[in-house]
Order: sequence, then C-alpha cells, then structure tokens
Amino acid sequence: DSGVTQTPKHLITATGQRVTLRCSPRSGDLSVYWYQQSLDQGLQFLIQYYNGEERAKGNILERFSAQQFPDLHSELNLSSLELGDSALYFCASSVTAGTSYNEQFFGPGTRLTVL
Amino acid sequence: SQKIEQNSEALNIQEGKTATLTCNYTNYSPAYLQWYRQDPGRGPVFLLLIRENEKEKRKERLKVTFDTTLKQSLFHITASQPADSATYLCALAQDSGNTPLVFGKGTRLSVIA
Repeated sequence: DSGVTQTPKHLITATGQRVTLRCSPRSGDLSVYWYQQSLDQGLQFLIQYYNGEERAKGNILERFSAQQFPDLHSELNLSSLELGDSALYFCASSVTAGTSYNEQFFGPGTRLTVL
Repeated sequence: SQKIEQNSEALNIQEGKTATLTCNYTNYSPAYLQWYRQDPGRGPVFLLLIRENEKEKRKERLKVTFDTTLKQSLFHITASQPADSATYLCALAQDSGNTPLVFGKGTRLSVIA
C-alpha cells in the first residue's frame, strides 16, 4: 500500500459526460501528479500541483482540468468525454524537500470507460 | 524529437537466470532515472533511482546502470523468480527536485519456472 488513495476505482460513463477523479496523497507529501495510462501510449504525465499551486503541465487536453485543495487532496475533472479518454488514470505524490530526487508513490488508479 | 524507449515489449526468461532490461533515451539530459514495477491493473511501484553522476546502483537482487554517454540504462534482476514477473518501466526526470517523470512504455517480463 503506497499510502495514496484514489476514488473511484472504476467509472463507466457515456460520451459527452463529465467526471471527477479524486486523489489523496500520502501524509506529508505536497506534490501531486496526474498520469494517464492507455495501452498504446503508456504512462503520460498530465499535470502536477505543489501545495495548491499548479507546478507543471504535460499533455493535458483543454477539456481536462485539475486542482489541489488546502488539505492537499486533488481532483481531476474530465469533461466532454470521448471514447479515446478511456484509460487508467493514476495519481502520484512525492515529498518535497528542496533539491531532492524523490521517488513518486502511485495510487491504485481509476479505470475510466467511456461508452 | 525526444524519445524514451525500452528495448522490447516482452521478455521471457527461465527461473534463476538474470533478466536484463534496456532503456534508451534521445534528446534528453536527465538529472536522474528511475525504475518502477507495475503489476496488471495496479499503480507503478518504485524500485531504484540512479543519478546522472552515478554509474551503478544495487538493491538486493536488483542492479541498475546509467551511461549518459550511450544515453542508456540497464536494469538487471539476478536469480530471477516467477514472482518477478511484471511490467518494468523506466522513467527519467530532467531536473532534480520534484519534477514530472517521463516514462517508457515498459517491458513485460515473464519468469518461467
């Protein structure tokens, strides 16, 4: 158990809909990362938050957005869903302590199926 | 363009042998490189990290090397066991500190008893 929790585990929805994925980082971790994993693309970085602020952005679509709340949990919002958005979505967290090389701890993921 | 490639999608080896997985990258100057293990339907689990100024790192039966001239990392599992069967991902970070990781697509290792 990594200490990172994600809900829900599975989500089935229809095209055009909007969903929210939730992540709670490990206690004390200030950084949260969101990744998307599909069979053909592998694990792709979407966005990072650090202590409530957006830190880095990857290949995140404009239909997707995220935020990190004061209690450090994070939500990833996916809207106007398309079939191609079906994937596993992972959240990861890491310790921040100045210059460091910390590993990331991944949650169990949310499997999104868009029908 | 920037690329990170793991040499093969799948690798089958006999129990007790050494598994060697390769990770090559182009147009990156990573500050460090990490290896993760991922089991089906689960999140990746961190295994080892090696910095740009390190040549080799070991942890129990695992060894990773990092050659910044060749732009390559090798990941070795010695005395492999069926329980080592999983997908192994290499990931690099371009900066020190907490930066996003760029992942390879992984190599699925099967250790046959």
